[in-house]
Amino acid sequence: QVQLVESGGGLVKPGGSLRLSCAASGFTFSDYYMSWIRQAPGKGLEWVSYISSSGSTIYYADSVKGRFTISRDNAKNSLYLQMNSLRAEDTAVYYCAKESMDVWGQGTTVTVSS
Amino acid sequence: DIQMTQSPSSLSASVGDRVTITCQASQDISNYLNWYQQKPGKAPKLLIYDASNLETGVPSRFSGSGSGTDFTFTISSLQPEDIATYYCQQYDNLPPWTFGQGTKVEIK
Repeated sequence: QVQLVESGGGLVKPGGSLRLSCAASGFTFSDYYMSWIRQAPGKGLEWVSYISSSGSTIYYADSVKGRFTISRDNAKNSLYLQMNSLRAEDTAVYYCAKESMDVWGQGTTVTVSS
Repeated sequence: DIQMTQSPSSLSASVGDRVTITCQASQDISNYLNWYQQKPGKAPKLLIYDASNLETGVPSRFSGSGSGTDFTFTISSLQPEDIATYYCQQYDNLPPWTFGQGTKVEIK
């Protein structure tokens, strides 16, 4: 079945880095654009980043621009989010989602705290 | 960026009631609107896409309507399993894509 599984979350100090991964299965990953969306504790959903099917077109939310980098490896059916210069306000559950957001992963939790 | 204003932020209704949530876009987004249901501790689930199309497997008591800037999401007969937070989200043209603030639905 179509599935997305995130990993890589954890506790990191302010200013630190973390790399999230999203493993896709059950569909032709290379045919679809992908997104990262996050949700801070007790808050709503925030779109974070988009990458086209080939990886040639990328967008970021202003809140993460210059600090986060989205990438993908179509040979490995995997999506990534490199997060640098992390701040307390980046604390959230991070979800990956397939193209029209009809499929979401279960989320991985990132906590930025000293 | 396009802003999405969703209301109400919460509501309480009885089982069997008709529930309506509205979402207003800050500019014309045609019908590029999704509605999601999110239960505590779970990922959002897509219910409605393109403003009015029911995702496969979603009960028919859920529906959506609207175009341009004004959209409505309706549960025709609220069921206990519908307790959740509901979000609208616009995907007009290119990112950034934005979500409404969410509506928490509770049973009275």
